[in-house]
Amino acid sequence: DGGITQSPKYLFRKEGQNVTLSCEQNLNHDAMYWYRQDPGQGLRLIYYSQIVNDFQKGDIAEGYSVSREKKESFPLTVTSAQKNPTAFYLCASSGDRDTEAFFGQGTRLTVV
Amino acid sequence: GEDVEQSLFLSVREGDSSVINCTYTDSSSTYLYWYKQEPGAGLQLLTYIFSNMDMKQDQRLTVLLNKKDKHLSLRIADTQTGDSAIYFCAERYRGRRALTFGSGTRLQVQP
Repeated sequence: DGGITQSPKYLFRKEGQNVTLSCEQNLNHDAMYWYRQDPGQGLRLIYYSQIVNDFQKGDIAEGYSVSREKKESFPLTVTSAQKNPTAFYLCASSGDRDTEAFFGQGTRLTVV
Repeated sequence: GEDVEQSLFLSVREGDSSVINCTYTDSSSTYLYWYKQEPGAGLQLLTYIFSNMDMKQDQRLTVLLNKKDKHLSLRIADTQTGDSAIYFCAERYRGRRALTFGSGTRLQVQP
């Protein structure tokens, strides 16, 4: 089945560590996005990529990094510079002719 | 900059209609969306409307767009307990493919 897969579903990080969240899609979509969701704040855009080997900062990129080496994959690294990383992270993708964005099931990151 | 606002909470009785409201600021919006999120899950697209339309109906869902007032609403007819979720309004404006989301409205359906 076509779709977006995020892994892991739950992730625990010690303070000072970098962690990488995986996002893979088999929808042949050019564009991929990372959003962060905090309670009562909706979704905020972290990074997005419109084509392979290219990506742009969103509204809250500080403390995060991404890569887009393959069309199917858009991993997000939460670095130790991110001061408050505990949140629910959602990956999405969209095609050229699509009006909608398709979402993965999310990764809940908790700092312990 | 662009901004999308929603009320945080709505409670209705099963069988009643629910109306969830949203306001946005960017007049160059091309598409406006309603997404549904159940606990611990990703977002599911419910419906969307092109900015030159006033209304769109899809089974129990009716979307109304007042472009002059930059107001979008989602009406759910015959609301069921399974409709309990968070509903997000989002806009896509000209020149940017990423969506801008509101803070979400939590719909609680009382049996």
